[in-house]
Amino acid sequence: NAGVTQTPKFQVLKTGQSMTLQCAQDMNHEYMSWYRQDPGMGLRLIHYSVGAGITDQGEVPNGYNVSRSTTEDFPLRLLSAAPSQTSVYFCASSYFGGEAFFGQGTRLTVV
Amino acid sequence: RKEVEQDPGPFNVPEGATVAFNCTYSNSASQSFFWYRQDCRKEPKLLMSVYSSGNEDGRFTAQLNRASQYISLLIRDSKLSDSATYLCVVKGGGSQGNLIFGKGTKLSVKP
Repeated sequence: NAGVTQTPKFQVLKTGQSMTLQCAQDMNHEYMSWYRQDPGMGLRLIHYSVGAGITDQGEVPNGYNVSRSTTEDFPLRLLSAAPSQTSVYFCASSYFGGEAFFGQGTRLTVV
Repeated sequence: RKEVEQDPGPFNVPEGATVAFNCTYSNSASQSFFWYRQDCRKEPKLLMSVYSSGNEDGRFTAQLNRASQYISLLIRDSKLSDSATYLCVVKGGGSQGNLIFGKGTKLSVKP
């Protein structure tokens, strides 16, 4: 029972580097999303997808790209990492209106 | 007014105590309501959905007041294992209905 698999768990980047956070779910959920969680800020929506080939911006999309080529996968790309992107990132999936299942999170530090 | 507001706490209570958390939301078109639990350095997990008629799951009771745009969570007979951050979550209106998270209320149950 994999659920939502998110990799890597930890990552350190230098300013200006790019990377991709991977997210895969095996529950055939239509809806997938990426959040970042910062101290005192709660979870904030970065991007989301309502199905393969469809993505949209959330509350804090700048500096991030996403794509949804399959139902299962929803990678998050950091184009040019900045220290302000130091955060904990969570991927989530759900049926519409249903319980959201989260990956274990990625702790990203940008130096 | 923030979309979902919670008292950040911390709430420090002894084992066996009853504790209540409150949450207010700003969008009257919100459709669904949830309480999630997040342990330190872990992903959020669904604790319970909140229904208009109120609902109970063991020691946990959730209430919704649509007129006042207010959600509550009551925990009876607190256990040490209840120590966590409790997130109030609202599913917005509209076709996407993204989840909007409160910043969380921290609970610490002491022996």
